[in-house]
Amino acid sequence: AQSVSQHNHHVILSEAASLELGCNYSYGGTVNLFWYVQYPGQHLQLLLKYFSGDPLVKGIKGFEAEFIKSKFSFNLRKPSVQWSDTAEYFCAVKMNNNAGNMLTFGGGTRLMVKP
Amino acid sequence: DAGITQSPRHKVTETGTPVTLRCHQTENHRYMYWYRQDPGHGLRLIHYSYGVKDTDKGEVSDGYSVSRSKTEDFLLTLESATSSQTSVYFCAISELGGRDLYFGPGTRLTVT
Repeated sequence: AQSVSQHNHHVILSEAASLELGCNYSYGGTVNLFWYVQYPGQHLQLLLKYFSGDPLVKGIKGFEAEFIKSKFSFNLRKPSVQWSDTAEYFCAVKMNNNAGNMLTFGGGTRLMVKP
Repeated sequence: DAGITQSPRHKVTETGTPVTLRCHQTENHRYMYWYRQDPGHGLRLIHYSYGVKDTDKGEVSDGYSVSRSKTEDFLLTLESATSSQTSVYFCAISELGGRDLYFGPGTRLTVT
């Protein structure tokens, strides 16, 4: 079955540190890729998305992600994190083989940024 | 924010009782989804709808049923709640089917 893996379950960083969160998926066909963020006590919000074109995608709040097709990866990056980035981050993949247009989510990475 | 509301926002119920969660949208989007969120599992799809009276199962549909009699409302029913259904339930909507997913505020359900 197709799956999405986020290898880091918990990440702790100090402010100004660089961030990279891994996301890999298992599907050989065409995909649409997403990163969502969930701040404490809030619902999921879209950070960025990739459908086609430039594999380096820029999102809100200084986040970016790079799609590497050969590695089946879509890692999230931010050069300098802030305390307000403390949240849980979810990678999601839409595998273009299903009639329901469903997203499959990874297990999430909980990021804590220390001030 | 997309116009999505969920009710109730919190509920505690006993094992064996029926429970219905409601998702209401004001965006007139075609697709609606129910996900559950559990630590370490991310979000898992329970059921989804691609139109009025058109629904299908997701990856964790056992023990759940859904109904969509109007574009704006998508109901999730636990026929006989079990402790394993303790979770946070999120409704999501999409006009283009997965390309623009917007989430509701969630319902925290505890089954004792």
